[in-house]
Amino acid sequence: QVKLQQSGAELVKPGASVKLSCKTSGYTFSTSYMSWFKQIPGQSIEWIGMIYAGDGGTGYNQKFKGKATLTVDTSSSTAYMDLSSLTTEDSAVYFCAMDGSDWFAYWGQGTLVTVSS
Amino acid sequence: DTVLTQSPALAVSPGERVSISCRASEGVNSYMHWYQQKPGQQPKLLIYKASNLASGVPARFSGSGSGTDFTLTIDPVEADDTATYFCQQSWNDPTFGGGTKLELK
Repeated sequence: QVKLQQSGAELVKPGASVKLSCKTSGYTFSTSYMSWFKQIPGQSIEWIGMIYAGDGGTGYNQKFKGKATLTVDTSSSTAYMDLSSLTTEDSAVYFCAMDGSDWFAYWGQGTLVTVSS
Repeated sequence: DTVLTQSPALAVSPGERVSISCRASEGVNSYMHWYQQKPGQQPKLLIYKASNLASGVPARFSGSGSGTDFTLTIDPVEADDTATYFCQQSWNDPTFGGGTKLELK
């Protein structure tokens, strides 16, 4: 079955960067799309961007350009998201989800990022 | 961005029927999807393309609408349905509604 396993919670200092991972199994990663999302607890969900594992092509929400960088490692069927120049406003839960068509049927469990000095 | 507007909260009794609405700021054809999210969990897909039931989702859940107005219906509501429900459009870059928190009386 399809599984998306995300990396553990992160506590990072303002101004630092963090790299989150999303390890997949149960489907053909190399021809799939992966999207990433941000959710501040108690609030709605924001789409950050997507990446096609086949060629690494990306598309970003304008709001997150320069903040998030999406990459993949097809040898390990893992997607990554780098978040840079972190501020307290970046504190949130970040999800990866397999972008099958226009909807998201498979999600990771989420990674909590806390930005604090 | 396409803005999706949902009512913030609803309270119903078990066994009743509940309808959760989502209004889009522009037409999204039938590219509206619905998710259930419980505290501390990832979203779970319920309905895709307005009215299609996702795999494994009970038939108590149904969706309708097109254009700008969409509805998720749960009939009958069960205690386990306590959650927040989000709509999401994919006609443009994905956006989500603010969520409707469903509570049981």
